[in-house]
Amino acid sequence: QVQLVQSGSELKKPGASVKVSCKASGYSFSNFAMNWVRQAPGRGLEWLGWINTNTGDPTYAQGFTGRFLFSLDTSVSTTYLQISSLKTEDTAVYYCARVGPTIAPDYWGQGTLVTVSS
Amino acid sequence: EIVMTQSPATLSVSPGETATLSCRASQSVSSNLAWFQQKPGQAPRLLIYGASTRATGIPARFSCSGSGTEFTLTISSLQAEDFAVYFCQEFNNWPRGLTFGPGTKVDFK
Repeated sequence: QVQLVQSGSELKKPGASVKVSCKASGYSFSNFAMNWVRQAPGRGLEWLGWINTNTGDPTYAQGFTGRFLFSLDTSVSTTYLQISSLKTEDTAVYYCARVGPTIAPDYWGQGTLVTVSS
Repeated sequence: EIVMTQSPATLSVSPGETATLSCRASQSVSSNLAWFQQKPGQAPRLLIYGASTRATGIPARFSCSGSGTEFTLTISSLQAEDFAVYFCQEFNNWPRGLTFGPGTKVDFK
């Protein structure tokens, strides 16, 4: 069965960097792109962008260029989200979500809580 | 940029009743719309895609209608496990982008 397993919670200080991983299994990794979505505490869902798992090309949503970086390692079916120069407002649960055959995100990781606090 | 709005923000319903949730787009998204359910502490789950098609394993009590700018998610005969937050999402500009609505919380009356 399709599974997306993300790395564990992170506690970082402002200005630091963090790298979140999302390991896929149960399907052909390169056949489906991956979204990244975040959810601040008590807030809605915010789309960060997506990465083409065949070419490695990323697309970033408005407001998420510069400090946010998507990457992948096809040898281990894993995509990564790296955030640099962390701010307190980056505190959120970060999700990876597969781009399904109909584009709608059909499988989601369990989420990774990133807390940015001094 | 497409802006999604949802109403109401909170809907109080009793088990067994029908819940009707609305989603509106600032411009036409055709049928490029999905609905998600999210329970506390869990990741969102895909309910509906293509504006009206239920995802695998989603019960028939979930139905959706609409196209263009106005969409409705109907949950008939509400069960205890249906109390959650529901988000709509458009992907009309894919691959350039997609946008989530702010969500509707369905809670116990």
